[in-house]
Amino acid sequence: DIQMTQSPSSLSASVGDRVTITCRASQRISNSLNWYQLIPGKAPKLLIYDASSLQSGVPSGFSGGGSGTDFTLTITTLQPEDFATYYCQQSYSAPYTFGQGTKLEI
Amino acid sequence: EVQLVESGGGLVQPGGSLSLSCAASGFTFSYYSLNWVRQAPGKGLEWVSYIGSSGITIYYADSVKGRFTISRDNAKNSLYLQMNSLRAEDTAVYYCVRARSGRFDSWGQGTLVTVSS
Repeated sequence: DIQMTQSPSSLSASVGDRVTITCRASQRISNSLNWYQLIPGKAPKLLIYDASSLQSGVPSGFSGGGSGTDFTLTITTLQPEDFATYYCQQSYSAPYTFGQGTKLEI
Repeated sequence: EVQLVESGGGLVQPGGSLSLSCAASGFTFSYYSLNWVRQAPGKGLEWVSYIGSSGITIYYADSVKGRFTISRDNAKNSLYLQMNSLRAEDTAVYYCVRARSGRFDSWGQGTLVTVSS
């Protein structure tokens, strides 16, 4: 199975900051990497797919990068609604494993 | 608008069974593969199971293999998860998720399953 490791596990930031979350796969997964946002009480939301493609309707302040084993999610200018938990996930092969999550806090 | 609505969650004793359903609307159901993903209290997301658009290709996480069965009825636009031999560690919110070219692009609101005596 492919293991996904995110860092950091939690992150304190302020409105207006730029933040980057990293995700590392235990083997090469090409660009088969997706990012999701979880806010309590709301359905999870796809942000980035195929490592760097912005899902329709997602603000342009979100961006993704990387390929192979190392990936990043960057939020350019934090908004109040961005404080949430973020997960990476590989879609290269089953089981479609998630990272352990990064909680972004004020 | 894509809608995925889960139902069937509840309280069940260890060793018991429960059946979850997911009613889909707003898209051509038979074109898409589907998944179940869960989140235990205070924990992260865990992929549980996948079923291809025709229902032929199926995968399970090792943690549920042999106990859970995924199925779909394309005529009824519905996804199912039959859960047997439930354990305390199966306690979680279960999400029905549509997949498109590998990405999980639409999620339901989830249904809570609690396994406890």
